[in-house]
Amino acid sequence: AQTVTQSQPEMSVQEAETVTLSCTYDTSESDYYLFWYKQPPSRQMILVIRQEAYKQQNATENRFSVNFQKAAKSFSLKISDSQLGDAAMYFCAYRSGFYGGATNKLIFGTGTLLAVQP
Amino acid sequence: GAGVSQSPRYKVAKRGQDVALRCDPISGHVSLFWYQQALGQGPEFLTYFQNEAQLDKSGLPSDRFFAERPEGSVSTLKIQRTQQEDSAVYLCASSFLELAGYEQYFGPGTRLTVT
Repeated sequence: AQTVTQSQPEMSVQEAETVTLSCTYDTSESDYYLFWYKQPPSRQMILVIRQEAYKQQNATENRFSVNFQKAAKSFSLKISDSQLGDAAMYFCAYRSGFYGGATNKLIFGTGTLLAVQP
Repeated sequence: GAGVSQSPRYKVAKRGQDVALRCDPISGHVSLFWYQQALGQGPEFLTYFQNEAQLDKSGLPSDRFFAERPEGSVSTLKIQRTQQEDSAVYLCASSFLELAGYEQYFGPGTRLTVT
């Protein structure tokens, strides 16, 4: 079974600084997707960024980028120029790339609560 | 267009009561997922629908939990004889197709408190 581990329950960053959130995962599959979701206090989960395992290039979305190390099964999120609105719970998630049924569910880590200090 | 909506947003139930939680997915989305999020934890998969067919219910914690999507759009998660351990936020997510590359869009969740 696949597992996702986030070892940082809480992180803090100064506004305009850079912060990196860690995530490791375990799988025997070769085809999968990895995601970072943001969950603000209102609790609506929002997709931040995703990475296809078959792509070697790290995904980037504006101030958000990932460091995907497939051999090490590591998938960290870097937030540059942190803003107050980035404060939220961040979840790392795994999804099998195989087609059909239960394999399309998301498997989440336990989350990292990010605080942004003004 | 409108996102995924869920109702009620908050529900307090006495232990032993039955509850029904509703999810309105994004129009046209084939796939619908239910997740349970305990306090301080990540969401955990409960069940999955493709249109009206419930293809996976492996995450349902007991036979007190039942989900349906009779017309392939709105879904209801029903919990019978609620217990304190059922207290959690229940999240619904929909996706255009079941293929892994399609994003799951989440609703705001229903916070269930069992007293």
